[in-house]
Amino acid sequence: DGGITQSPKYLFRKEGQNVTLSCEQNLNHDAMYWYRQDPGQGLRLIYYSQIVNDFQKGDIAEGYSVSREKKESFPLTVTSAQKNPTAFYLCASSIDRGNAEAFFGQGTRLTVV
Amino acid sequence: AQSVTQLDSHVSVSEGTPVLLRCNYSSSYSPSLFWYVQHPNKGLQLLLKYTSAATLVKGINGFEAEFKKSETSFHLTKPSAHMSDAAEYFCVVSERRAGTALIFGKGTTLSVSS
Repeated sequence: DGGITQSPKYLFRKEGQNVTLSCEQNLNHDAMYWYRQDPGQGLRLIYYSQIVNDFQKGDIAEGYSVSREKKESFPLTVTSAQKNPTAFYLCASSIDRGNAEAFFGQGTRLTVV
Repeated sequence: AQSVTQLDSHVSVSEGTPVLLRCNYSSSYSPSLFWYVQHPNKGLQLLLKYTSAATLVKGINGFEAEFKKSETSFHLTKPSAHMSDAAEYFCVVSERRAGTALIFGKGTTLSVSS
C-alpha cells in the first residue's frame, strides 16, 4: 500500500539527548514536510524539502535538524537545543511544492522524561 | 503573505443537525484551499480541496465547502452531523507559486452529542 510511515509512534527522550524521528514515503512525492502540533496551536511548520539534498527552514526550525539524502526519506532530529520538545510530530508529503494536497503519516508523540 | 483564520475553536452540535465550521483566508495569489480532519492521536485526512474549478466543493463523508472570493471564506458544512464526525478540523491554504508550504489554521474541535 502507498503511504507515509512514521516511526516510532511513541518516543521518550531524556533531558539533553538528541532523538531522530523517521519518515518514509512510497508515493514518489517530491516535497516532504515536518509539522509540530501542540494543543490549541494547530500545526506549525518545522522544515520542508522540495527535492533531494535540499531543504528549507519553516516557522519553528530552531532546535531541529533534517536531511534529505533519498527521495523517500526525510528524518527529523530533535536536538538538545530544543527546550520544549514534548509534542505530536507529523510528517507529510505532496507531489510538488505548488497547490497539491499533502498526505500525512500517523504521527510520533515525543515526550521528555 | 498567506494566512488562514478558523473563527471558532470549538463547535458543539447535536446528532442529526447541520454543521458549520468557518474559515477565512488571506492570500496574495490564487490560493488552493483544503479541509483536513484529525481524529485523536491520528494523522490528518483530506476531506476536500478547492483548486479554482467549481466554487462548491464536495468531499468525503457528506461534507462540502464553498469558496467565496469576495468574502475570502471557505466554510465547511454538512447537512446532518453524525457521532463519528467528532474530531478536529483544519482549514489550510496554499498559494500557487514556488517554494510554498501549506499554512494551517489553528483548528476547530467539533463535538457531537446524542
